[in-house]
Amino acid sequence: DVKVTQSSRYLVKRTGEKVFLECVQDMDHENMFWYRQDPGLGLRLIYFSYDVKMKEKGDIPEGYSVSREKKERFSLILESASTNQTSMYLCASSYRGQGGEQYFGPGTRLTVT
Amino acid sequence: QKEVEQDPGPLSVPEGAIVSLNCTYSNSAFQYFMWYRQYSRKGPELLMYTYSSGNKEDGRFTAQVDKSSKYISLFIRDSQPSDSATYLCATILISNFGNEKLTFGTGTRLTIIP
Repeated sequence: DVKVTQSSRYLVKRTGEKVFLECVQDMDHENMFWYRQDPGLGLRLIYFSYDVKMKEKGDIPEGYSVSREKKERFSLILESASTNQTSMYLCASSYRGQGGEQYFGPGTRLTVT
Repeated sequence: QKEVEQDPGPLSVPEGAIVSLNCTYSNSAFQYFMWYRQYSRKGPELLMYTYSSGNKEDGRFTAQVDKSSKYISLFIRDSQPSDSATYLCATILISNFGNEKLTFGTGTRLTIIP
């Protein structure tokens, strides 16, 4: 059974803290994605990676960075958390050439106070 | 203008009714069309995936694409309370590097009333 796991379901951080969100997939997928989901705005792509050490900006990369040192792991980093980064963060993965068929993790609800 | 527009609802229908969910998109370069279902406190899961204009059926679900009018629909027949979820339409644009990026609608929250 395919599986995408995220390091935390709920996270509370303070403004200015550095935040790490981890995502691991066990399907040997080439593509990995980070989204944030907000009411009324839907799912928005922050960054994606199509190979180890490769990354591309999505629609809203400002304030975020990513790291992909191993194929199965994709990390999202908030360098200095701000209250407007309070959101649900979703990780997904897919095979190359099958980007429409993405498998999502359960999400991390991040609150920045 | 958003690339993919979707009525956020909420939509409530009685059990057994036919449900119609719709999206429009603006970019004619979009090549594939998907419907994802998201239950409360879960990540989205792929429900239907289609490429060409026309209908694709899977059990009680039918996905319809009209590329000429840039309109995509999902029909649910004999709706069940277990169909209560948020439904997200999505399209995909293959970039010049062959990297695949999904564009989602905002999602429609559907409730089936027993």
